Amino acid sequence: EPEVTQTPSHQVTQMGQEVILRCVPISNHLYFYWYRQILGQKVEFLVSFYNNEISEKSEIFDDQFSVERPDGSNFTLKIRSTKLEDSAMYFCASSWDRPSDYSNQPQHFGDGTRLSIL
Amino acid sequence: EDQVTQSPEALRLQEGESSSLNCSYTVSGLRGLFWYRQDPGKGPEFLFTLYSAGEEKEKERLKATLTKKESFLHITAPKPEDSATYLCAAPIRGSGNTPLVFGKGTRLSVIA
Repeated sequence: EPEVTQTPSHQVTQMGQEVILRCVPISNHLYFYWYRQILGQKVEFLVSFYNNEISEKSEIFDDQFSVERPDGSNFTLKIRSTKLEDSAMYFCASSWDRPSDYSNQPQHFGDGTRLSIL
Repeated sequence: EDQVTQSPEALRLQEGESSSLNCSYTVSGLRGLFWYRQDPGKGPEFLFTLYSAGEEKEKERLKATLTKKESFLHITAPKPEDSATYLCAAPIRGSGNTPLVFGKGTRLSVIA
């Protein structure tokens, strides 16, 4: 069964450094998302991406964050200058697009990257 | 105000002891209510989508149901391998492929 893959599984970075988290969404999916989950808290939406541009972003997704789809398979999240509070699990998700139906398609998640900021 | 609320926060069951988890939501014009399973250190694994009140979906020992204000995940004769956190999620807005808002989850432990 196709799945979303994320690398690395664990990233340890010094505060103030830049990190890039990588994701390969399911191949025929068209909507891509990043979420994060701070230890013991809810899964929170960061950003959605469709047709090579950001379609929506949350208050968390400030100027230090950016996303990119550099080729036909990868989807990346960059954090420019990491802070201690960026420590969390970061999940990539993707969903199928069915434009003739306004029902929401399920989002399929990867196993995440655990980001630890020292 | 939370848009998706789950209860209980934690549930401990003996193997074979059936129970239900609750998810209440306040998203208007709901177009899809999602249930996920999350194991420790893993991402949410999709279980079910429910689109309209009265709809039911089943998978092995799990059955999800939906009313106009809440959803239930019924677990029949659970086994230890059903131990996980079960997450409920709803789209922030009604229409197509919008971001999800998650509940805090119910942490289920099934004891042999």
